[in-house]
Amino acid sequence: GQNIDQPTEMTATEGAIVQINCTYQTSGFNGLFWYQQHAGEAPTFLSYNVLDGLEEKGRFSSFLSRSKGYSYLLLKELQMKDSASYLCAAPLSGGYNKLIFGAGTRLAVHP
Amino acid sequence: GAVVSQHPSRVICKSGTSVKIECRSLDFQATTMFWYRQFPKQSLMLMATSNEGSKATYEQGVEKDKFLINHASLTLSTLTVTSAHPEDSSFYICSASDPGASNQPQHFGDGTRLSIL
Repeated sequence: GQNIDQPTEMTATEGAIVQINCTYQTSGFNGLFWYQQHAGEAPTFLSYNVLDGLEEKGRFSSFLSRSKGYSYLLLKELQMKDSASYLCAAPLSGGYNKLIFGAGTRLAVHP
Repeated sequence: GAVVSQHPSRVICKSGTSVKIECRSLDFQATTMFWYRQFPKQSLMLMATSNEGSKATYEQGVEKDKFLINHASLTLSTLTVTSAHPEDSSFYICSASDPGASNQPQHFGDGTRLSIL
């Protein structure tokens, strides 16, 4: 079957670094996406990894290990506005960019 | 700017009403769009795949007669919640990606918050 697991909730302090983990099991592999979703809003694209290693994009970085079925999103210099849900997603087999989402990790950033 | 537009953003109506939600791709032609539903504090659940010019593909457990999908043009898909009831109250979101390149990120509409009284 296909499954994506990530922690339900995390808390962190403003200015700190937080790592959100994601493990996945998919039929075939077509990359891994991370999305950010603020409460009541639609998800916005953060990153896409298809090769092993770390992809850095400003304060946000995403890592992938295909052999381990593992990814993480790293958020640096946390700001209050980073409080949101972070969704790990993978394309389902069969193309069409149809995504299966993890349950999302709700991150709360405190002063 | 937004590449996928969804309308309306909020609907409040009485039980038994049918509600139509529109999803438009603004900068590209989308042969495929996706409809998701999200309940509070839960993740997005794929409801169906909207295919231009052909029938939609529904996920297991989603009633096709309840959630009518029409994809009559390359830039527009509509989801109609027929005879809506309070349990249909949810956040409905559409997405599309530019078919010009593989594995491009899905772009989401702003979502429609449906509240059935």
